[in-house]
Amino acid sequence: NAGVTQTPKFQVLKTGQSMTLQCAQDMNHNSMYWYRQDPGMGLRLIYYSASEGTTDKGEVPNGYNVSRLNKREFSLRLESAAPSQTSVYFCASRGRGLHEQYFGPGTRLTVT
Amino acid sequence: AQSVTQLDSQVPVFEEAPVELRCNYSSSVSVYLFWYVQYPNQGLQLLLKYLSGSTLVKGINGFEAEFNKSQTSFHLRKPSVHISDTAEYFCAVTWANQAGTALIFGKGTTLSVSS
Repeated sequence: NAGVTQTPKFQVLKTGQSMTLQCAQDMNHNSMYWYRQDPGMGLRLIYYSASEGTTDKGEVPNGYNVSRLNKREFSLRLESAAPSQTSVYFCASRGRGLHEQYFGPGTRLTVT
Repeated sequence: AQSVTQLDSQVPVFEEAPVELRCNYSSSVSVYLFWYVQYPNQGLQLLLKYLSGSTLVKGINGFEAEFNKSQTSFHLRKPSVHISDTAEYFCAVTWANQAGTALIFGKGTTLSVSS
């Protein structure tokens, strides 16, 4: 039982490049989330998926898109990376009837 | 709108001393409250949660927190800290009785334990 996994762990992009961050969970959870963590800012919600087939914007969605590929997988795409998107990205999931979220190990992204 | 304020950005403490990390929230509806810990270069791990019932909740690693509705606070405490408790701690809140909603996080408190 791996919990929540994220790939890659580290990534360096040039401004304007695109990439997709992958997230998968093996806990049969319904809800999945993408957050970004910046120093002194805590975690801020980018997008979430309350259930398979639905996605909604969070607090900071600009510059990102998401896909809930199936119940297990929730990807985050940067179409044209900007230096302001340099951050640590965390994926999380939550099961039906639960209120806490379970987090992946994070992806550290640097955009130069 | 909900918000979470962690009143101290950094808390330095000596080993075996007690510690309190303070968290206040604002919400006009019932909430669930959480504390998470993040060790260096790792993801977030749930320390404890308050959903309902007893206002004193116990978590992992000897931590506990008290929910105070009148003060809208959820402070985290440990009677005797270890070097290994050095980490960043996040308080978070979510609306009760709403499926799929995300957590609102405070900005974090860095706990530094020295010998």
